[in-house]
Amino acid sequence: GENVEQHPSTLSVQEGDSAVIKCTYSDSASNYFPWYKQELGKGPQLIIDIRSNVGEKKDQRIAVTLNKTAKHFSLHITETQPEDSAVYFCAAISYGGSQGNLIFGKGTKLSVKP
Amino acid sequence: GAVVSQHPSRVICKSGTSVKIECRSLDFQATTMFWYRQFPKQSLMLMATSNEGSKATYEQGVEKDKFLINHASLTLSTLTVTSAHPEDSSFYICSAPTPGHFSYEQYFGPGTRLTVT
Repeated sequence: GENVEQHPSTLSVQEGDSAVIKCTYSDSASNYFPWYKQELGKGPQLIIDIRSNVGEKKDQRIAVTLNKTAKHFSLHITETQPEDSAVYFCAAISYGGSQGNLIFGKGTKLSVKP
Repeated sequence: GAVVSQHPSRVICKSGTSVKIECRSLDFQATTMFWYRQFPKQSLMLMATSNEGSKATYEQGVEKDKFLINHASLTLSTLTVTSAHPEDSSFYICSAPTPGHFSYEQYFGPGTRLTVT
C-alpha cells in the first residue's frame, strides 16, 4: 500500500521568508496529491492540490511541485505571514479503478515568527 | 470549496455512555463520507468509509460494533461511539469528496472533540 513520508516535522521561519515542506510517496499509481492546512482545534482545510499530469501549480503565495519520477512533491509558501502558522499535511491517493483512500503524511508544524 | 459540517463541535460524556456525531455535506450530495480519528500532535487515521445505502467499510483494527456508522441520506452520515471509554477520547473528523466526474477534491468537517470522563 501507499506510504507517505513528510519532512520536516517542525519548521520555523521569519515573517516574509519562504517555507518548503517535502513529501515522498511509494505507490507509483498515486495520481492526486492534496495539501491541507490544519489550525488548532479545527478540521483540515484544502489549500492546494496537484494531479499527476501536472508538474507545478501555483495559487498566489502557495505553490506545489511534483516529480513523478522521484515520487516526491513539495509545498512552497512565499512571503510567509503569521497567519500561515499551522500544521500542514500532505496526502496521496490513487484515483481510478478501485476506490482508494487518502494517505496522509505525519504533518509539519509551521511557525512564522513576526 | 464545498462545505462539510459536524455536530457537535465538542462533547463530554461519561464512561459507558454512547455518543453520536453527525457529519453533513451542506451544498452537495455525498454518496461516500470518511471518518477519521486524530490524536494530539498526530496525523489523521482513517477509521471507516461510510456508504449511502450500504454498510460502512472499516479499516483494520477498528471495531465496527463500537463505532457504528450510518449513512442515512446523501447529505448525512453519523458516527456513534458506543460504550465510550476514556481511551476513545480524541478528535473525530469526517470528510466527503465532491461529486462529479473526475472529482478529486475531498473536504473535511471542522471536527468533534470527544472527551470521555
